[in-house]
Amino acid sequence: AQSVSQHNHHVILSEAASLELGCNYSYGGTVNLFWYVQYPGQHLQLLLKYFSGDPLVKGIKGFEAEFIKSKFSFNLRKPSVQWSDTAEYFCAVNANTGFQKLVFGTGTRLLVSP
Amino acid sequence: DAGVTQSPTHLIKTRGQQVTLRCSPKSGHDTVSWYQQALGQGPQFIFQYYEEEERQRGNFPDRFSGHQFPNYSSELNVNALLLGDSALYLCASSSGQVGLNTEAFFGQGTRLTVV
Repeated sequence: AQSVSQHNHHVILSEAASLELGCNYSYGGTVNLFWYVQYPGQHLQLLLKYFSGDPLVKGIKGFEAEFIKSKFSFNLRKPSVQWSDTAEYFCAVNANTGFQKLVFGTGTRLLVSP
Repeated sequence: DAGVTQSPTHLIKTRGQQVTLRCSPKSGHDTVSWYQQALGQGPQFIFQYYEEEERQRGNFPDRFSGHQFPNYSSELNVNALLLGDSALYLCASSSGQVGLNTEAFFGQGTRLTVV
C-alpha cells in the first residue's frame, strides 16, 4: 500500500525566509507526485505536479519541488516566502496505473509572519 | 468554466441519521472521487466513480455509498451516522481515461458535523 510522510507538521517563518517542506512516499512502482495547498477558507489547489521527465518541477507562485527517486522524496521549496503563503500544504501520490486515487500526507501548516 | 461545486457547504446531523452530499464535476471531467478530511489530517480516499460505476474504494465501511449520474455528477451517502463521521468531505474531479496522467480538481467541500 502507498503511504506519504510529511515530517514537518507546523512551520513558522518570517517573510523572505527560505522554505523547504519534506515529503517521502512509500511505493515500489512508478508514481505521480503532487503538492496541494489549502489557503484558509479555500479549497485544495494544485501547486505543482510530477509525472515524468525533469525531476525538478516548477509550480505556481514561485514554488518548486525536486523528485529524488532513490530517496522516495518530493520536497517542496521556495526561496523567499511571503505572508500570503500562510496555508496548509499537502503532499500526495498516486500509483501510475491510470487511476487517480490520491494518497495524501497529513499536511504541514505554514505560518509566515510579516 | 465552472470548477467543482459541492452542496451543501455545511450540514449538521444527529447520530444514526443518513446524509447525502452532492458534487458537480469540472466541465469536461468524467470521474469523481470522494475524500474525507478529518480535523488535522490529510484527505482520505473514500471511492471513485467512473462511467456510473464505483471503480476504486478506500478503507471505508459499507455505510458509505455513492452514485454517479449520466451527467457525471455524483452523490455520497452515509448511513447510520457516527460522531466520528464529522469531517470535511471533498469531491475531486478528473478525466478518467486509464493511462492518462491528469490532475484532480477539488471542490470547497461539505463540512459535516454529527451531534
